[in-house]
Amino acid sequence: GAVVSQHPSRVICKSGTSVKIECRSLDFQATTMFWYRQFPKQSLMLMATSNEGSKATYEQGVEKDKFLINHASLTLSTLTVTSAHPEDSSFYICSASGLAGGPVTDTQYFGPGTRLTVL
Amino acid sequence: GQNIDQPTEMTATEGAIVQINCTYQTSGFNGLFWYQQHAGEAPTFLSYNVLDGLEEKGRFSSFLSRSKGYSYLLLKELQMKDSASYLCVPMDSNYQLIWGAGTKLIIKP
Repeated sequence: GAVVSQHPSRVICKSGTSVKIECRSLDFQATTMFWYRQFPKQSLMLMATSNEGSKATYEQGVEKDKFLINHASLTLSTLTVTSAHPEDSSFYICSASGLAGGPVTDTQYFGPGTRLTVL
Repeated sequence: GQNIDQPTEMTATEGAIVQINCTYQTSGFNGLFWYQQHAGEAPTFLSYNVLDGLEEKGRFSSFLSRSKGYSYLLLKELQMKDSASYLCVPMDSNYQLIWGAGTKLIIKP
């Protein structure tokens, strides 16, 4: 149980285009989903937290108009990187929590990540 | 401030035992997670401790001492596939996970 998928796993795009990344909880309802970014050999950096049906809470320094997050259902959240630039190239990882009846409340289960390269 | 202190890198031999220590300082505390992260992949959940003591799960065990702000992850019967980074991740009073760079564990034959 507690499987989270992400799509696509890898994307290469031109500068100025927008990229949408999907995060799905496959076997549980995720009341909260998180979006992280990780640069090579660095720790995960939380970008935003989203609860189903409400607006995402962004961390300081993360532009909400550039990184659009939609958490429309208990199993799906999307991150859209708008007008991507080379400096947005990174490993984007989502996680989900809210495993009803699970052993640990608030445990975050991670998707496999999306590697974004902006040319 | 909030911070986590773990060794940057450790090396161990296949079949042996290794203990990865972690000390932390957080604003409040709501438990501590250990995650494993292979290079180029997302983290995977290993364990969660909220009370003092040892939690055993197969080859992996995790220990917590809240008064000392200390945790360790013990890996037994090491296998080559255990080569990865191990992340000690405390949760603060706002239920935020505090991420550090983790410990890179290298397993040698």
